[in-house]
Amino acid sequence: DIQMTQSPSSLSASVGDRVTITCRASQSISTYLNWYQQKPGKAPNLLIFAASSLQSGVPLRFSGSGSGTDFTLTISSLQPEDFATYYCQQSYNTPPTFGQGTKVEIK
Amino acid sequence: QVQLQESGPGLVKPSQTLSLTCTVSGGSISSDNSFWSWVRQPPGRGLEWIGYIYSTGSTYHNPSLKRRDTISVDTSKNQFSLELRSVTAADTAVYYCARYYFDSSGYYYVDYWGQGTLVTVSS
Repeated sequence: DIQMTQSPSSLSASVGDRVTITCRASQSISTYLNWYQQKPGKAPNLLIFAASSLQSGVPLRFSGSGSGTDFTLTISSLQPEDFATYYCQQSYNTPPTFGQGTKVEIK
Repeated sequence: QVQLQESGPGLVKPSQTLSLTCTVSGGSISSDNSFWSWVRQPPGRGLEWIGYIYSTGSTYHNPSLKRRDTISVDTSKNQFSLELRSVTAADTAVYYCARYYFDSSGYYYVDYWGQGTLVTVSS
């Protein structure tokens, strides 16, 4: 299985901050990388697919970049509704696998 | 707008079989480019893919489940189902059904999720 490792596991930030979350794959996955946001008690919600494509309806403050093994999710200006847990997921190979998650908390 | 809804018992005894059904509305389960999936999340933990099925009946199973799972589809009811045999406490989780979509560029992603259902394995 391809292992996905996110860092940090958690972070504290303030409204308006620029936030960056990284995801590293255990082998090259080209750009077969997706990002999801999950709020407590809710299903995950797709933010970014194909490493950098913004899902319809997702605010422009979210962006993704990277290829190969190293990827980044950036929130340009953190909003109150962005406090949540974020997961990366590779779709390069089966089984599809997720990172362990990054919890973004209010400072 | 595709919607998915899980249904099934919330409590299963150890060694028994967990059975869940996902009803798809707002779209056909026979649509191209859709792999109908089961994903689970133990309390306070991360996400694990269980497997998926195409409308033709072709399936993928995550080897981590050691083939304890069966995924089936009923196109006449626009539903797909999961059975997980010989459950233990480690199978306690929120179970999500989801659509794993593959686009014209060959990328795969989950664009629709059910709300999730908590299944507890306990005597």
